[in-house]
Amino acid sequence: DQQVKQNSPSLSVQEGRISILNCDYTNSMFDYFLWYKKYPAEGPTFLISISSIKDKNEDGRFTVFLNKSAKHLSLHIVPSQPGDSAVYFCAASFGGYNKLIFGAGTRLAVHP
Amino acid sequence: NAGVTQTPKFQVLKTGQSMTLQCAQDMNHEYMSWYRQDPGMGLRLIHYSVGAGITDQGEVPNGYNVSRSTTEDFPLRLLSAAPSQTSVYFCASRGWTRTGDNQETQYFGPGTRLLVL
Repeated sequence: DQQVKQNSPSLSVQEGRISILNCDYTNSMFDYFLWYKKYPAEGPTFLISISSIKDKNEDGRFTVFLNKSAKHLSLHIVPSQPGDSAVYFCAASFGGYNKLIFGAGTRLAVHP
Repeated sequence: NAGVTQTPKFQVLKTGQSMTLQCAQDMNHEYMSWYRQDPGMGLRLIHYSVGAGITDQGEVPNGYNVSRSTTEDFPLRLLSAAPSQTSVYFCASRGWTRTGDNQETQYFGPGTRLLVL
């Protein structure tokens, strides 16, 4: 049973607009959430994280929102750029940062 | 810093062969881990280590062995490769994020693509 779900396999957005990537989880014990970006033939690269005591975290163009009651988090990218085109993975952990549970990923395409 | 390095980049094995995937990090991180990524799925934890001499199983440990004799190195061994082990393997080490928010994350290597025939 998937504990972390990314229900949209792909997303296409125009350059300059907002990209919203969604992630749902089932385990209420998760206390830390992360987003990674992955280009082909490379390892995942850390983007941004949020702990369960917060509902928002911002870093430049990237903002992560956490809705604990809905067990839902989202990543907003504003404005989107062609270089943002990649696969984005949502991940969660509990009791520390050791064991990450990943979603299946969403492929974002940002077109001019 | 080179970060997390993995060798080889790509490997083809026949069923029953053995091999070792190498992983090294130069960030002095205590925690290291191995994940595999399969099409349509997220990364899944195979084994992890919280320091030299200490290892434990993750979500999908069967068919894999690990050992940790130094802080820097964390090799993954396939003793008898099976087609089901065809995958992309990522090694990671855990450290502070570079955003200065007192949080940690895992830093991943570039991956090893393994094909078992």
